[in-house]
Amino acid sequence: TQLLEQSPQFLSIQEGENLTVYCNSSSVFSSLQWYRQEPGEGPVLLVTVVTGGEVKKLKRLTFQFGDARKDSSLHITAAQPGDTGLYLCAGAGGTSDYKLSFGAGTTVTVRA
Amino acid sequence: SAVISQKPSRDICQRGTSLTIQCQVDSQVTMMFWYRQQPGQSLTLIATANQGSEATYESGFVIDKFPISRPNLTFSTLTVSNMSPEDSSIYLCSVDRTGAGGYTFGSGTRLTVV
Repeated sequence: TQLLEQSPQFLSIQEGENLTVYCNSSSVFSSLQWYRQEPGEGPVLLVTVVTGGEVKKLKRLTFQFGDARKDSSLHITAAQPGDTGLYLCAGAGGTSDYKLSFGAGTTVTVRA
Repeated sequence: SAVISQKPSRDICQRGTSLTIQCQVDSQVTMMFWYRQQPGQSLTLIATANQGSEATYESGFVIDKFPISRPNLTFSTLTVSNMSPEDSSIYLCSVDRTGAGGYTFGSGTRLTVV
């Protein structure tokens, strides 16, 4: 059973459209991280959120941590083909302070 | 942030054989983590490797199948023993980028067992 439920599993959109990926859990996390993974590579950290209600923006990406620190969302504005990849959320502090629990991932495809 | 060199990047192995995967970090780290990512799926933690002590394995993973070495603070190996086709996966090592709040991953080893 996945500690973190991620949705949707797949997302295919046209360049210029917006998208949102959700990450939900019944557990409280001390921090939540978002990664992007491209084929043949390991996951690359995008952001870490640690405070309930926190919102972080990285250019066209907006990350939000829920007030109760159980859920998070990733919103991409005006998606580009370079945003294509597997997006993974991961929580720290769920079962231990240092081990990460990963969501199942969302495969995002942005068509030119 | 830490830089991890992982090798081999890929291998095709015969069933019943073993493969050792190496991870070299460019700075000293206390803990290194080994993950498995089966095709089209997310990451599952295999074990946590600490220097100078036995690795800590997650439920469903045992030392006889996945022995781990951690001889110093910059290096670790994971061996996949007595391989079967079900072991075909991507294996990744990772370290905690202390102070940055996130983890750095190696580029992974894509293992195919035939």
